Formats: sequence, C-alpha cells, structure tokens
Amino acid sequence: AQKVTQAQTEISVVEKEDVTLDCVYETRDTTYYLFWYKQPPSGELVFLIRRNSFDEQNEISGRYSWNFQKSTSSFNFTITASQVVDSAVYFCALSMTTDSWGKLQFGSGTQVVVTP
Amino acid sequence: DAMVIQNPRYQVTQFGKPVTLSCSQTLNHNVMYWYQQKSSQAPKLLFHYYDKDFNNEADTPDNFQSRRPNTSFCFLDIRSPGLGDAAMYLCATSRAGERTDTQYFGPGTRLTVL
Repeated sequence: AQKVTQAQTEISVVEKEDVTLDCVYETRDTTYYLFWYKQPPSGELVFLIRRNSFDEQNEISGRYSWNFQKSTSSFNFTITASQVVDSAVYFCALSMTTDSWGKLQFGSGTQVVVTP
Repeated sequence: DAMVIQNPRYQVTQFGKPVTLSCSQTLNHNVMYWYQQKSSQAPKLLFHYYDKDFNNEADTPDNFQSRRPNTSFCFLDIRSPGLGDAAMYLCATSRAGERTDTQYFGPGTRLTVL
C-alpha cells in the first residue's frame, strides 16, 4: 500500500525566513513519481515539481528547492526567504509508474502562513 | 492561456436538486479526473476517464456520475446533493499512456448546498 505522510499541519513564519516542509512516503514499488502541489486560498492546485524515483538529484527553482532522499523515503521542500505570497497549503503526492493513468496518493497537506 | 477550465467557480444548489459541474481542457490530454476536496483535507479522487473508459473509485457514492462527451469536456453530475456534498470539486487532466504524466488541475468549483 502507498502512503504519504506530512507530519506538519501548519507552519508559521515571518517573511524572509526559510521554511522546510517534510514529506515521508511508503511504497513497495521500486519505480514511482513524487510531486509537490501548492494550493493558495483561491483553491487551485498548482503543480510545482515531479521527481522520478531513479533521479535523486536535488533541484532548485528560484526560491524553491527539493531534497529527495531515497534512503529515508523523504522528499522535503524548502522555501528560501519566504514571502507573503507563499502562504498556501502544500501537498506532497506519490504515484506509481505501473499505473499508466497516474493515480495520486496525497499527503494531508501542510498549511504555510507567512506574515509580514 | 487557461488550460483546465471549470465552470462555474461557485455553485449554490438546494438539498436534493440535481447539479452539474463542467470541466474543459485545451491540453488534449487523454485522462480527466474529478476530485472532491472538503475543508482542511486532501483531494479525494471520485473517478477518472481514460480516453472514453470510465473508472469509478470503489468508495464513490452512486449519487455522483460523470460524462465525457469528447476529449475536451467532462461533466460531474450530482443527482441529489446532500449537505455533506458541499465541497470544492477539482478537475484535473493528464497525458497518460506508457508512463505516468503530471496531473494539471483546474481552479475548482466550490459547491454550496442549502
């Protein structure tokens, strides 16, 4: 069975602080995809990143960076120098490559609150 | 520029009155999904269409139906909405086949049941 755990329910930071969101996953498959989505108050789920299980390289995109560690089954997400616009719920998700249509197993989400 | 469009953004219906939510996409993706998301919860998959093939999740109530008349459009029908069906409904699309592709979501329709 697949499972994604986001243990942090809510994180509050002051603008310009860094914030790291934890994601731990469980799967028996050797090939899978991991995702992060952002859901601002407007409600739309915005795709941020997809990572293949064979690619353990960390990735940086602007103020966002992701740390994938297969040994600990974690795919953590860091926002550097946070801004008020980063306030949102962030979901980590897992899908199996054996599912050709890509069913997503979501974590419970982490609410990030950035105050000025 | 909108790729996955959902109409309306807000829908109010009365208890027991059928309602239809719509989703369209300009991505030419072959898979379309409907999710239900209640407050402070993760999205929950209701069903998906892989091309014309309809796939229902085991725990999706019979009250929820879907139609996909063509590649671009997909509808969610709630036959007799109850108060517990008030939620955000999200449509998503992906290009699936030999490998899993990313799901792209629309802005959602927030349903209120009076």
